[in-house]
Amino acid sequence: RKEVEQDPGPFNVPEGATVAFNCTYSNSASQSFFWYRQDCRKEPKLLMSVYSSGNEDGRFTAQLNRASQYISLLIRDSKLSDSATYLCVVCSGYSTLTFGKGTMLLVSP
Amino acid sequence: EAGVVQSPRYKIIEKKQPVAFWCNPISGHNTLYWYLQNLGQGPELLIRYENEEAVDDSQLPKDRFSAERLKGVDSTLKIQPAELGDSAVYLCASSSGLPNTEAFFGQGTRLTVV
Repeated sequence: RKEVEQDPGPFNVPEGATVAFNCTYSNSASQSFFWYRQDCRKEPKLLMSVYSSGNEDGRFTAQLNRASQYISLLIRDSKLSDSATYLCVVCSGYSTLTFGKGTMLLVSP
Repeated sequence: EAGVVQSPRYKIIEKKQPVAFWCNPISGHNTLYWYLQNLGQGPELLIRYENEEAVDDSQLPKDRFSAERLKGVDSTLKIQPAELGDSAVYLCASSSGLPNTEAFFGQGTRLTVV
């Protein structure tokens, strides 16, 4: 089983739609969790950290379920500019960052 | 503030030739990562440094790959000899110290081995 697993997609949604991505991780000792965004041929950039209590940043909501070892990202009112690949990232140990393969989102007019 | 700087941006070499990539992390960041990213895949860790010490190099193919981070600042990743399968994007990232701070990535070096 891979350390971090994501559905690669692509998820094709119209503008204004709500879309959700899930990610599962295998290391129960993982300490920190993040969602990164990567545009085509660009470097990954932090979208948001994921906290145990769940957290929201504008149209984006991240949730963590430690018991089931999964992380989710919800995007409301999708914009064309949200089209990108979303990478689930898990931190185990002091600084060991492990990335999922990413989920591609395509938002159409 | 300058971000993570990598060079070159692109490199094309023939197989069996050596190649080197350079990374200058964000000033003050003690943690430096080298990742490899293939098309359609997430970044895969090659090596992580804490200051000048390589603390995680378990995924680095040591028969042909080497890295150094002299003085705990900038870093060089080398491949010798390069193989066709090494074609990928090599990403450098730095962090001031996890687990609660983000890792910042450079723009990457796109390597093509022909």
